[in-house]
Amino acid sequence: ETGVTQSPTHLIKTRGQQVTLRCSSQSGHNTVSWYQQALGQGPQFIFQYYREEENGRGNFPPRFSGLQFPNYSSELNVNALELDDSALYLCASSLGQGTADTQYFGPGTRLTVL
Amino acid sequence: AQKVTQAQTEISVVEKEDVTLDCVYETRDTTYYLFWYKQPPSGELVFLIRRNSFDEQNEISGRYSWNFQKSTSSFNFTITASQVVDSAVYFCALSANAGGTSYGKLTFGQGTILTVHP
Repeated sequence: ETGVTQSPTHLIKTRGQQVTLRCSSQSGHNTVSWYQQALGQGPQFIFQYYREEENGRGNFPPRFSGLQFPNYSSELNVNALELDDSALYLCASSLGQGTADTQYFGPGTRLTVL
Repeated sequence: AQKVTQAQTEISVVEKEDVTLDCVYETRDTTYYLFWYKQPPSGELVFLIRRNSFDEQNEISGRYSWNFQKSTSSFNFTITASQVVDSAVYFCALSANAGGTSYGKLTFGQGTILTVHP
């Protein structure tokens, strides 16, 4: 059974650019959640996708957007990058969208904005 | 609002010592779920345990044990006979139906950095 995978591992961008991060969910999982983890902090919820629809969003501006595909893989897009967007971006997949569903995390993408 | 507090920022122990990581949570919901995750230097969050709000039984898994007390809103994690491989950042997290939402958003604490010295 393949776990959650993310690409790329590391990324360096400059302020104002756009970035796309990718996530493949664990086999059998239909829900993907994205989190941002700043250095020395706990992860912060960005949004969740269930069956290709966004069904929950945290306190992040609209320049953070996402997609989920029919195979349940997902993308996180960030436009107009700011220095504060530098962080580890974690993707998690789960069997369902509910509060009881355990989320399994990928290795993350380390984004650096210069 | 939901909140998770891990008051211990860093803990340093010598191998074979027992260590307890504290977690205190806040939620208005009666149904909620608590989690512990381990984050080694590689960055991936590794799931350790899930506990629902109606099950206050303590759980033991090998050298790991968890103590859930609703009366004090705490969900503490103990590692017995710690090993160097236990060195990592440990996160406590809460999932609840805040504000009528039903999706599984995790609210994390700040994390506790555990260093186990040989």
